[in-house]
Amino acid sequence: DTGVSQDPRHKITKRGQNVTFRCDPISEHNRLYWYRQTLGQGPEFLTYFQNEAQLEKSRLLSDRFSAERPKGSFSTLEIQRTEQGDSAMYLCASSLEISGDNEQFFGPGTRLTVL
Amino acid sequence: GENVEQHPSTLSVQEGDSAVIKCTYSDSASNYFPWYKQELGKRPQLIIDIRSNVGEKKDQRIAVTLNKTAKHFSLHITETQPEDSAVYFCAAVANSKLTFGKGITLSVRP
Repeated sequence: DTGVSQDPRHKITKRGQNVTFRCDPISEHNRLYWYRQTLGQGPEFLTYFQNEAQLEKSRLLSDRFSAERPKGSFSTLEIQRTEQGDSAMYLCASSLEISGDNEQFFGPGTRLTVL
Repeated sequence: GENVEQHPSTLSVQEGDSAVIKCTYSDSASNYFPWYKQELGKRPQLIIDIRSNVGEKKDQRIAVTLNKTAKHFSLHITETQPEDSAVYFCAAVANSKLTFGKGITLSVRP
C-alpha cells in the first residue's frame, strides 16, 4: 500500500498517560498535516510540516501536544498528560506542494480513547 | 482565521435525483476549495476540487461551482445512487491551511 499510513489504528489510555502516534506519508510528499476529528464534526487543523520544518500550529493546540518530523519523512504526534477531552480520531494527511496548494491525501486515522 | 459553513446538515434524496450542497467561507485569501467524501469509519477522500481562478468544474456526475464575490461554493451531484450516501465536507485553503465545514450527511433512498 503506497498511501498514507498511521499507527496505531486504535489507542485506549488512562487519563494522565502520554501517547504517541506515528504517520508515514506518501513517499515523495513534502508536506505533512495533522488533524483531529470528533464525532459529527469536520477534521480540525492541528499543525503541518514542510519537509522537516513545522510551519504552523493551531492556536487550539495546547502545550501538551507536540509533533515532530525529524528527517522530513514520517512524523510523530505526542500528547502528554492525556485528558478525556483528547478522545478523538487523529488524522494525518500528506501532499506534494510545488507551487500552490494541492490535494491532501488522508491516512486511516488513529482513534484515541481516554478513560 | 477562515470559517467555513455548510448547509444543510442532512440531506435526503431519492435515487436518481440531484443533490446540491452549499458552503460559504469568510477569508478572501482562500484560493483552493476541495470537497471530501467520508464513509462511516473511513478516511476522507477527495472527490473534486476547484481553484479560485475557475468558476465551475465538472467530473462525470459531480460538479462544483465557485462564486468568489459572494464567497459561496457548491457541490452538485446528479443521478444520485445509493453508494453516494456518505458525509460530504467542503473545505477552503488559505495560506496552506485547510479549514473544513462541519459536514453534511447525504442519504440516497433507493
